[in-house]
Amino acid sequence: DAGVIQSPRHEVTEMGQEVTLRCKPISGHNSLFWYRQTMMRGLELLIYFNNNVPIDDSGMPEDRFSAKMPNASFSTLKIQPSEPRDSAVYFCASSFARAGGAAGGTQYFGPGTRLTVL
Amino acid sequence: RKEVEQDPGPFNVPEGATVAFNCTYSNSASQSFFWYRQDCRKEPKLLMSVYSSGNEDGRFTAQLNRASQYISLLIRDSKLSDSATYLCVVNWKNTDKLIFGTGTRLQVFP
Repeated sequence: DAGVIQSPRHEVTEMGQEVTLRCKPISGHNSLFWYRQTMMRGLELLIYFNNNVPIDDSGMPEDRFSAKMPNASFSTLKIQPSEPRDSAVYFCASSFARAGGAAGGTQYFGPGTRLTVL
Repeated sequence: RKEVEQDPGPFNVPEGATVAFNCTYSNSASQSFFWYRQDCRKEPKLLMSVYSSGNEDGRFTAQLNRASQYISLLIRDSKLSDSATYLCVVNWKNTDKLIFGTGTRLQVFP
């Protein structure tokens, strides 16, 4: 079975440019999560969706970051304009949240996008 | 206080050794607990869920103490391939949001 798919795997861009990261969750999963990982701050949740609806975006650093999930099989994370401090690995993860079940189900991560902003 | 706290290590142990990692969490309403493993330059992968009664998977044993808000992972008979960073993970209150610790690095040497 295909896992979570992310593209691109690597992105090098210049400060001020727009960056779009893409994610395809595991088929059948109804929750999708975007994380950022750096050496200094570890793994941080940016935003998550349930049934394509944003539930918690409190981790989105500022207005330069936006995320969308137009359908159950696709999500984007956009940074505009990008800055050097945005350099990090961005992971997408998905899970299946059962209605009435315990919260916090197992999340499956994609391989990540390594972003470098010069 | 951090929501999930772990000793960053590194723990350097010889093959065959037993090693234990501990983790504390701050929110008593958390319901789901996990250990994830992350290899260098790779994504985190689920190692095991942690249940109140404790659970074992081969050489790995996880324990949860809700009263003390404490989670542990025991690795017996360490292998070179166990070298990785181990992330303690707890869900936030009663939500699907997972909070990851900063990880404990394990290095197993021959």
